[in-house]
Amino acid sequence: NAGVTQTPKFQVLKTGQSMTLQCAQDMNHEYMSWYRQDPGMGLRLIHYSVGAGITDQGEVPNGYNVSRSTTEDFPLRLLSAAPSQTSVYFCASSYSIPSTNEKLFFGSGTQLSVL
Amino acid sequence: DAKTTQPNSMESNEEEPVHLPCNHSTISGTDYIHWYRQLPSQGPEYVIHGLTSNVNNRMASLAIAEDRKSSTLILHRATLRDAAVYYCILDSNYQLIWGAGTKLIIKP
Repeated sequence: NAGVTQTPKFQVLKTGQSMTLQCAQDMNHEYMSWYRQDPGMGLRLIHYSVGAGITDQGEVPNGYNVSRSTTEDFPLRLLSAAPSQTSVYFCASSYSIPSTNEKLFFGSGTQLSVL
Repeated sequence: DAKTTQPNSMESNEEEPVHLPCNHSTISGTDYIHWYRQLPSQGPEYVIHGLTSNVNNRMASLAIAEDRKSSTLILHRATLRDAAVYYCILDSNYQLIWGAGTKLIIKP
């Protein structure tokens, strides 16, 4: 049972570099989302998608892009990495929007350091 | 935005019940109350959620105050594996807004 798979688990970038964090789910979930978690804090929503071809901004979208070409995949792109983007990133999915009677399934996270 | 208030940390003895409080005085009538937990170095995992009535599942119970301004997550018999950060969450415009949570420490 794969669930939500995130790659890579760890990544070190230099300031200004770009990269894509991958997220895939095999549960046929319509809703997918990206969060970041800074030390000692809760999760903050970056972007989310309610279905293929539909994305929207969350609480902290600046510096990140997303697209949703398939139901299964929801990559997160850092356009020009900055030290402020050093964080742990989590991808999550659910059958529909989680604020209703749904629960989120999370990946194991990507620890990103920007030097 | 709907917000929650939780204690920063709590301690409990192993094999004893644990009551984790959460205040959400700005909750609106259609907001579900969600609880997730995050074990060290892992992604969060779902624990329980409810709207108005108390809820039970194999992991925990959720007691919701009659006015819905507070709730309590109950772990009936805590084990060392329950040591985690527990998050009480409401939705805000179809997004879950996370606070800093309560770090639960279980003493053997």
